[in-house]
Amino acid sequence: DAKTTQPNSMESNEEEPVHLPCNHSTISGTDYIHWYRQLPSQGPEYVIHGLTSNVNNRMASLAIAEDRKSSTLILHRATLRDAAVYYCILRANFNKFYFGSGTKLNVKP
Amino acid sequence: SAVISQKPSRDICQRGTSLTIQCQVDSQVTMMFWYRQQPGQSLTLIATANQGSEATYESGFVIDKFPISRPNLTFSTLTVSNMSPEDSSIYLCSVERTGTEAFFGQGTRLTVV
Repeated sequence: DAKTTQPNSMESNEEEPVHLPCNHSTISGTDYIHWYRQLPSQGPEYVIHGLTSNVNNRMASLAIAEDRKSSTLILHRATLRDAAVYYCILRANFNKFYFGSGTKLNVKP
Repeated sequence: SAVISQKPSRDICQRGTSLTIQCQVDSQVTMMFWYRQQPGQSLTLIATANQGSEATYESGFVIDKFPISRPNLTFSTLTVSNMSPEDSSIYLCSVERTGTEAFFGQGTRLTVV
């Protein structure tokens, strides 16, 4: 399965935008890029996903590079509640998610 | 969406014993999965719980250690057998219906002493 590379940790100030990068140089043409986050003491929750075009939803935006070898999750205004571990996942098989190490986001007030 | 209930939420068990974790979903789902999250680590997929047939295990996980049942489309169990302290982890159930978004339970925090 194709792997992703994310920074171990990032820090942001409250109410500022956050850009979380993910590298996936071995991505295949049919892999979707998914983002999940795990708040403390909770199971992961869906954030966003995309294939080739940039995507927006109420939680975040996903910017996908033209060659699809990298992507960026954008939180437009970070809040304290956004402090979590963010996972970038390539869906290699239709029905399985393989989690990488993720990025721990710390939001400062 | 899907609401997942896992029981127990936590347990402390003696080594050598077994614990069965239940996962109940509020509606029928096609796919159910079990994950393990060791302390301070990411999630590792244990197996896919198949309704009406044997579970499909990932590399490094075997049926004798982690037997799984899935009698219907809303329920599954994972048993952690002959436990050792190395099995202390959070075990999470995950389901998927639409083929895009996965939903996770809150997890079962297991401590083996």
